[in-house]
Amino acid sequence: DAGVIQSPRHEVTEMGQEVTLRCKPISGHDYLFWYRQTMMRGLELLIYFNNNVPIDDSGMPEDRFSAKMPNASFSTLKIQPSEPRDSAVYFCASSRGTLNTGELFFGEGSRLTVL
Amino acid sequence: GDSVTQMEGPVTLSEEAFLTINCTYTATGYPSLFWYVQYPGEGLQLLLKATKADDKGSNKGFEATYRKETTSFHLEKGSVQVSDSAVYFCALRYNTDKLIFGTGTRLQVFP
Repeated sequence: DAGVIQSPRHEVTEMGQEVTLRCKPISGHDYLFWYRQTMMRGLELLIYFNNNVPIDDSGMPEDRFSAKMPNASFSTLKIQPSEPRDSAVYFCASSRGTLNTGELFFGEGSRLTVL
Repeated sequence: GDSVTQMEGPVTLSEEAFLTINCTYTATGYPSLFWYVQYPGEGLQLLLKATKADDKGSNKGFEATYRKETTSFHLEKGSVQVSDSAVYFCALRYNTDKLIFGTGTRLQVFP
């Protein structure tokens, strides 16, 4: 089975541009999470969905960030306008049911560089 | 709030050395505890877990015991290999669908 698929793997953009990161979760998984990883702050949960509905977006840094999940097989994380401090690796992860087993399945990440 | 504290890295070891990576937690109840591993250029993957006090999680030669008295979940391995070089994350989950991760500890193993 395919794992969690993220695109693009690498993105370099200039400050002020719009960035869209994409994620395809594992088929049959009903939870989807977006994390951001930086050296300074480690791994931060930005938002998560259950059955395509956003449940907790308290980790979204500000209004420039938005996330959607229009169907069970696709989610986007959008940054508009982007800023240099948004440079990070963004991970998408999915799981089936609640996290009783603790097993989140992570994608390989999207490395974003904002110049 | 609930949190996880890990020892700072990097941890640098020679092959076949004994490994300990410390992890302590703060939680209002009795959380489930996890270790995840991130190999270079990859996403995180679950290494082992323990869901109640005194449980021992184990996988690939790694072990960790859930210690309620010391609120700890230290990761150990008796003999590390170069292929174990990675970043290791301790995490907890309590009464929520969210996993709370520590900051990660980088392990470097040299031949």
